[in-house]
Amino acid sequence: RKEVEQDPGPFNVPEGATVAFNCTYSNSASQSFFWYRQDCRKEPKLLMSVYSSGNEDGRFTAQLNRASQYISLLIRDSKLSDSATYLCVVRGEGTYKYIFGTGTRLKVLA
Amino acid sequence: DVKVTQSSRYLVKRTGEKVFLECVQDMDHENMFWYRQDPGLGLRLIYFSYDVKMKEKGDIPEGYSVSREKKERFSLILESASTNQTSMYLCASSVRGSPNEKLFFGSGTQLSVL
Repeated sequence: RKEVEQDPGPFNVPEGATVAFNCTYSNSASQSFFWYRQDCRKEPKLLMSVYSSGNEDGRFTAQLNRASQYISLLIRDSKLSDSATYLCVVRGEGTYKYIFGTGTRLKVLA
Repeated sequence: DVKVTQSSRYLVKRTGEKVFLECVQDMDHENMFWYRQDPGLGLRLIYFSYDVKMKEKGDIPEGYSVSREKKERFSLILESASTNQTSMYLCASSVRGSPNEKLFFGSGTQLSVL
């Protein structure tokens, strides 16, 4: 089983739609959780950290479910510019090692 | 803003060559990382360093070595390049113990080994 698993997609959604991605992780001792965004042929960039109580940044909402060991990302009112690959990232306690999922590809259609 | 600079965007080498990939960051970050990214496999950690001259193996260190003689520079070395090392290589840095931890990536080096 992979340490971090994501549905590769692609998720094809119309502009204005709401879309959600999930990511599961296998190590219950994982401490820090993130969503990164990666555009085609570009480097990953931090979209948002994921906090235990859940957090929101504009149209983006991230949630953590420790009991079921998954994190989620919700994008409301999708824009064409949201088209990208979204990477789930997990870091274990007491380590600098970040584990990346393989990413979920999102295409927002006009 | 933090800048992580990788020396080459594209590199073509021959099997058996020794290859150096250089990475420099300008924000005095303690942690530096080398990843490779392959379709369907995502980013996999090769090596990381949490201080000058300190290094730890990641998930796929075989065939690679690293050097960190100065805080701002982290080099990845392919001792004898092989075709299965054709990949996108990404360097990253981060601040140790930051409450707002964040990986800053370079723009990547696409290495082709022929």
